[in-house]
Amino acid sequence: GAGVSQSPSNKVTEKGKDVELRCDPISGHTALYWYRQSLGQGLEFLIYFQGNSAPDKSGLPSDRFSAERTGGSVSTLTIQRTQQEDSAVYLCASSFWAGNTIYFGEGSWLTVV
Amino acid sequence: RKEVEQDPGPFNVPEGATVAFNCTYSNSASQSFFWYRQDCRKEPKLLMSVYSSGNEDGRFTAQLNRASQYISLLIRDSKLSDSATYLCVVTPSGSARQLTFGSGTQLTVLP
Repeated sequence: GAGVSQSPSNKVTEKGKDVELRCDPISGHTALYWYRQSLGQGLEFLIYFQGNSAPDKSGLPSDRFSAERTGGSVSTLTIQRTQQEDSAVYLCASSFWAGNTIYFGEGSWLTVV
Repeated sequence: RKEVEQDPGPFNVPEGATVAFNCTYSNSASQSFFWYRQDCRKEPKLLMSVYSSGNEDGRFTAQLNRASQYISLLIRDSKLSDSATYLCVVTPSGSARQLTFGSGTQLTVLP
């Protein structure tokens, strides 16, 4: 479809393992965001990419989290040495430009056991 | 003070009722305002943008009060399918980092 695509939709991993989450934004959208949402909680901003500018990483909770965006399109969020508190849904969103309406993917549900 | 504050609810209303939510924001430079809807275990989806002059989409009316720094959402003739969490989003123009989500107001429409 033409929406934001995320994979995997569900991931169960053992504590201490690394995980990679992928986001394919809407074609033509220059801005891409990662958010995290724990069950019953609000959205927590993680990182933001805008075109070729340096990403805003100010929301990443620790140095175990990193993200990259290749070619201004697909983005990968990597969590190293996962902890149980990393369990959450990781939502990617994109927008045509900064401050414009953002559209979310269905999220990647991460469970760390 | 949080950048964006919402009454978490829950609001439990009967079908057909009119319900209103408010959202206050602290940054007077905020330029763009939106209401999103989030169903249980689903991603947020845009409900409507909020324009300075106020705007209406069917049973939904959004208003902006810059002087008092709040936005509102009014739902008339509520339906069971309106049950969801409603998130307000505020951002200064051109500064997507400050795209700030409220924590949401939970609405349950009862039969």
